[in-house]
Amino acid sequence: SQKIEQNSEALNIQEGKTATLTCNYTNYSPAYLQWYRQDPGRGPVFLLLIRENEKEKRKERLKVTFDTTLKQSLFHITASQPADSATYLCALDVNGNKLVFGAGTILRVKS
Amino acid sequence: GAGVSQTPSNKVTEKGKYVELRCDPISGHTALYWYRQSLGQGPEFLIYFQGTGAADDSGLPNDRFFAVRPEGSVSTLKIQRTERGDSAVYLCASSSARNTGELFFGEGSRLTVL
Repeated sequence: SQKIEQNSEALNIQEGKTATLTCNYTNYSPAYLQWYRQDPGRGPVFLLLIRENEKEKRKERLKVTFDTTLKQSLFHITASQPADSATYLCALDVNGNKLVFGAGTILRVKS
Repeated sequence: GAGVSQTPSNKVTEKGKYVELRCDPISGHTALYWYRQSLGQGPEFLIYFQGTGAADDSGLPNDRFFAVRPEGSVSTLKIQRTERGDSAVYLCASSSARNTGELFFGEGSRLTVL
């Protein structure tokens, strides 16, 4: 069956450290993968998109990698800040028609 | 408006009632999506419109759920004979891309069925 798995437990890190979140998938062949941030009671907000032929993408303190052989994406936040605390969702495109989301990982950055 | 607007933000109804949830996408966005999100879960795809037509409705859970977008802009998600299991946050998103690109989400409509 098709699955998207993200770290099920919350990730707690100290301010200033690098946070690394994992997204693994099975039985999908996405043309691209996206990461979103969601704060409590709000809708998801787009962060980054990476295509299947791209290994890595960066935006300010964010970095995403995409390994289609391992079927895995890693999402890094460098120099993390308490304001980065949120739920982070990965999403795969399916046939260019829709995004399928993982359950998300809660990140807590402590000062 | 500047972003995707959803109304109502909160809806409490009784089991068996009919509910309509409205989504006003970003002006000019041709693609519109409905998702449903339960506590602790990611958004679950329901339906995708490209213009006025439903390009993919494979996520609608059963025939009690129906969505329309008659003029290719505002969309309404309709739920008949609501059940307690329908309680969730219903998210709408729009996109300017024909193929799945960046989605702009609204803040959601929280539906509670008593």
